[in-house]
Amino acid sequence: NAGVTQTPKFQVLKTGQSMTLQCAQDMNHNSMYWYRQDPGMGLRLIYYSASEGTTDKGEVPNGYNVSRLNKREFSLRLESAAPSQTSVYFCASSVLQLSGANVLTFGAGSRLTVL
Amino acid sequence: AQSVTQLGSHVSVSEGALVLLRCNYSSSVPPYLFWYVQYPNQGLQLLLKYTSAATLVKGINGFEAEFKKSETSFHLTKPSAHMSDAAEYFCAVSLGPVNSGSARQLTFGSGTQLTVLP
Repeated sequence: NAGVTQTPKFQVLKTGQSMTLQCAQDMNHNSMYWYRQDPGMGLRLIYYSASEGTTDKGEVPNGYNVSRLNKREFSLRLESAAPSQTSVYFCASSVLQLSGANVLTFGAGSRLTVL
Repeated sequence: AQSVTQLGSHVSVSEGALVLLRCNYSSSVPPYLFWYVQYPNQGLQLLLKYTSAATLVKGINGFEAEFKKSETSFHLTKPSAHMSDAAEYFCAVSLGPVNSGSARQLTFGSGTQLTVLP
């Protein structure tokens, strides 16, 4: 059972280049998320998709776009990369448990460096 | 709105000593609380969660946390540290029980790096 798979694991970009981070989950979860992790700042939500066909902005959406391609896949696109977007990006998916708790499962992360 | 504060960005303990990682939360409604662990170069894994069923929550790898409403705290403890516990730990909060997608978002603390000394 693969869980949440992110590609690529590492990427180096020049300022102004574009790229797409791919994420797929095989747990039949409805909700998916993109977070970025920066030292001393924890994880900050970029965008999320509560269900197939819907996407919403999180805490730090500027400079990013997302696509919920189907129930399994949720991609994150940087149209014109900036050095401030150097970070580790995590995709996650979740299922709402009977208790009402929303439990996230994370991918292994994608480390992006923008020069 | 909800928020999480983790006191101490770095904590060092000796192997066999008590581990105490502090988390305080702010929430306008009864919260759901989580502790996640991140080992080097890996994603986050769920350690334990509080969902109002019991104030003392036991998780994996011998960790537990106690929800104290009067102190708005959810500190993580382990009686005896092991070298394999060295990792970064994140406390997180979400609103509940609600059905709104936005309300189910998790807000994470800034993390505590645990070092275990031999």
